[in-house]
Amino acid sequence: ETGVTQTPRHLVMGMTNKKSLKCEQHLGHNAMYWYKQSAKKPLELMFVYNFKEQTENNSVPSRFSPECPNSSHLFLHLHTLQPEDSALYLCASSQGRGGENGYTFGSGTRLTVV
Amino acid sequence: GIQVEQSPPDLILQEGANSTLRCNFSDSVNNLQWFHQNPWGQLINLFYIPSGTKQNGRLSATTVATERYSLLYISSSQTTDSGVYFCAVDSGGSNYKLTFGKGTLLTVNP
Repeated sequence: ETGVTQTPRHLVMGMTNKKSLKCEQHLGHNAMYWYKQSAKKPLELMFVYNFKEQTENNSVPSRFSPECPNSSHLFLHLHTLQPEDSALYLCASSQGRGGENGYTFGSGTRLTVV
Repeated sequence: GIQVEQSPPDLILQEGANSTLRCNFSDSVNNLQWFHQNPWGQLINLFYIPSGTKQNGRLSATTVATERYSLLYISSSQTTDSGVYFCAVDSGGSNYKLTFGKGTLLTVNP
């Protein structure tokens, strides 16, 4: 375990379902992130939260809705997804911009939309 | 935005061989990190190296910020080194944003 825990590890959902991904960090970091990793593509930053405030929304469709109730927890609410949204969703945290302490990533949620 | 290019895209080695992975970036950066993603998807931070040289066991990295590239050296490779190696940069500004390259897929055969 890296200190960043993501649940569930795997998720299969239909296009009309609503589900949520959860991320929790026990590192005392002040910034949390959602990244999407699709096959053959670089990791794409989706959302950034700094001290619970969203500071970046990287043109993500509204069917993805983030929530950060406190600096230790981050959620990604999913609804009416498309098959092309199937990917590995990674959560990360950092203290400030990372620096020597770096970014810490969770193990990811592998999402399949059917 | 900043562009990050990694080479080679794929690399196959025999156990014990050495290798060099390259990362080129298009603008000045205040943060550069190398990550290893294992076959189970876990991303592990290897180096924070916006400039200079660092070593950690069989791995070392060098960043020449003025020429906008970084190199990751793997010596005496082992099968457990297999996976994807990513370079990621932060070019500064008000938002915390790491931009990733497409990665190098390394396969080390026994």
